Amino acid sequence: QKEVEQNSGPLSVPEGAIASLNCTYSDRVSQSFFWYRQYSGKSPELIMSIYSNGDKEDGRFTAQLNKASQYVSLLIRDSQPSDSATYLCASHYSGYSTLTFGKGTMLLVSP
Amino acid sequence: EAQVTQNPRYLITVTGKKLTVTCSQNMNHEYMSWYRQDPGLGLRQIYYSMNVEVTDKGDVPEGYKVSRKEKRNFPLILESPSPNQTSLYFCASRLGLQETQYFGPGTRLLVL
Repeated sequence: QKEVEQNSGPLSVPEGAIASLNCTYSDRVSQSFFWYRQYSGKSPELIMSIYSNGDKEDGRFTAQLNKASQYVSLLIRDSQPSDSATYLCASHYSGYSTLTFGKGTMLLVSP
Repeated sequence: EAQVTQNPRYLITVTGKKLTVTCSQNMNHEYMSWYRQDPGLGLRQIYYSMNVEVTDKGDVPEGYKVSRKEKRNFPLILESPSPNQTSLYFCASRLGLQETQYFGPGTRLLVL
């Protein structure tokens, strides 16, 4: 069973702080990893994708991948109230035609 | 504008009345999927399609049908809806296996 695990939260951080969202996956042959942001009642939208070990930065967002530990994370610097949403981690497993999603972590950024 | 569209966006129906939710993408994507999202259960895949006339079951296919007669369209069919199919449904598409997946705006379905 291919699984992606996330803490459901909520993760509460003050405005301006760094929010750290974590995700673990169960299969060592996973090749691609994605972070999506989903506002309540809206569709998921892609924040970051990462394919190789290490860090990938895009503006205030940094995705980190450690394949040996089967761990992927998303850091949000200078968190804003508008970042309050549920963040979904997804993995593509080699040999499968689909993405596997975690259940998401709710992030709350207080002013 | 590159997008995935779904219709209708909101639907209230009664048990047993057949319905179809349409999905269309204008990005020439090979892969299309249907998901349902329920509180506490996350996104669960219903069906997916790798290309025209090629479809396969996801994690929760019972009670649903799909077809892929054209590359751009991937309708979801509920032959005899039941209240446990009340949910938020998303269609999604992507170009390749490791490519970004784009979601439609969602269809909120209530089955009475």
